[in-house]
Amino acid sequence: ETGVTQTPRHLVMGMTNKKSLKCEQHLGHNAMYWYKQSAKKPLELMFVYSLEERVENNSVPSRFSPECPNSSHLFLHLHTLQPEDSALYLCASSQAPGTAFYEQYFGPGTRLTVT
Amino acid sequence: AQKVTQAQTEISVVEKEDVTLDCVYETRDTTYYLFWYKQPPSGELVFLIRRNSFDEQNEISGRYSWNFQKSTSSFNFTITASQVVDSAVYFCALRNSGYSTLTFGKGTMLLVSP
Repeated sequence: ETGVTQTPRHLVMGMTNKKSLKCEQHLGHNAMYWYKQSAKKPLELMFVYSLEERVENNSVPSRFSPECPNSSHLFLHLHTLQPEDSALYLCASSQAPGTAFYEQYFGPGTRLTVT
Repeated sequence: AQKVTQAQTEISVVEKEDVTLDCVYETRDTTYYLFWYKQPPSGELVFLIRRNSFDEQNEISGRYSWNFQKSTSSFNFTITASQVVDSAVYFCALRNSGYSTLTFGKGTMLLVSP
């Protein structure tokens, strides 16, 4: 595997379900990100982890719970979601923030539908 | 506050036409970085280019070229001799020095028809 991978690619869940999204990066990076992409909206940064420590949390509802067990893996735990949470969830990785030059590399995303 | 504006929501061209995607940004920082990403229908954002605020030299990579002008706070992207495979949503983004957050524009959907 190369780059950034995400599983599952598609997920349909009811409002009372609990599920998790998984992201794995194979680039040797030490920062990872969760973004939400809704129709006709700019990408919204949800969480940032640097060296496995959460460094940014952009007022995301508590029904989204991130976990970063190591620098290669990032999870987004979902519970009691709302229909408006339906979106494409993108994971990205980069060198740690503060490094002079870095780009974020994105995974293919998980298309989430909440019914 | 920083902001990225991509005024063109959707552009349609015929194959082999040249097309320019506009990006205008706002930032109070003197050091910042600009990016372009491509998002094909598969969903993955593909990194295309990074430009540093202190380097105004334009760049060309194959059929792609970028025009960075600090005087007008613009970072425009031109595709020469467009191809059907160029059809995608293109995002311009801005990051200030030392910060992790990328501020994205709303994207421009480019449709290249045969």
